Amino acid sequence: KQEVTQIPAALSVPEGENLVLNCSFTDSAIYNLQWFRQDPGKGLTSLLLIQSSQREQTSGRLNASLDKSSGRSTLYIAASQPGDSATYLCAVRRMNRDDKIIFGKGTRLHILP
Amino acid sequence: DVKVTQSSRYLVKRTGEKVFLECVQDMDHENMFWYRQDPGLGLRLIYFSYDVKMKEKGDIPEGYSVSREKKERFSLILESASTNQTSMYLCASSLGAGIQGQYFGPGTRLTVT
Repeated sequence: KQEVTQIPAALSVPEGENLVLNCSFTDSAIYNLQWFRQDPGKGLTSLLLIQSSQREQTSGRLNASLDKSSGRSTLYIAASQPGDSATYLCAVRRMNRDDKIIFGKGTRLHILP
Repeated sequence: DVKVTQSSRYLVKRTGEKVFLECVQDMDHENMFWYRQDPGLGLRLIYFSYDVKMKEKGDIPEGYSVSREKKERFSLILESASTNQTSMYLCASSLGAGIQGQYFGPGTRLTVT
């Protein structure tokens, strides 16, 4: 059974620092991995999607990497800003016909001004 | 851009009422999903649909039903609302085959009193 883990559950860093959020999954047979952002009381916003054949994806100050063989992904945020404060979730899609994804419980990030 | 809308942001209902949560997507996606999100439990899949009039149970379908009469609309029904169904409900859609990942609506915060 696929399980997705995000550690730490919460993180506080000073503004301007570069930081890394971690995601691990137990079954390496994935189709893709998606990183989301969620602001309090809001829905999820897709940040980056990495297909299983890819190693990384970049969008602005965000870079996500994928190491399928070790069951790990990281989300790198450069030059953090208070507006980056949110919960970040990763989710993996399994290698089967349906499009269901398995979520981690997220890392709650707080950027200190 | 993909747009997923949900009929209400906040909803307060009484125990025993029948509750309808509506979700509409505008990108002709085949797949649609209903999740609930609770503190400490993360996102859990209630039901999903991969085509009109097709539905499949997710991890926690008890107490819920769904309807998909048109491709763009996926409804979640609480036949007889109970206090343990107080939660944030999130709808998502995807193109299928994991090409673009899942896109989420803004969520409905349901309180059952």
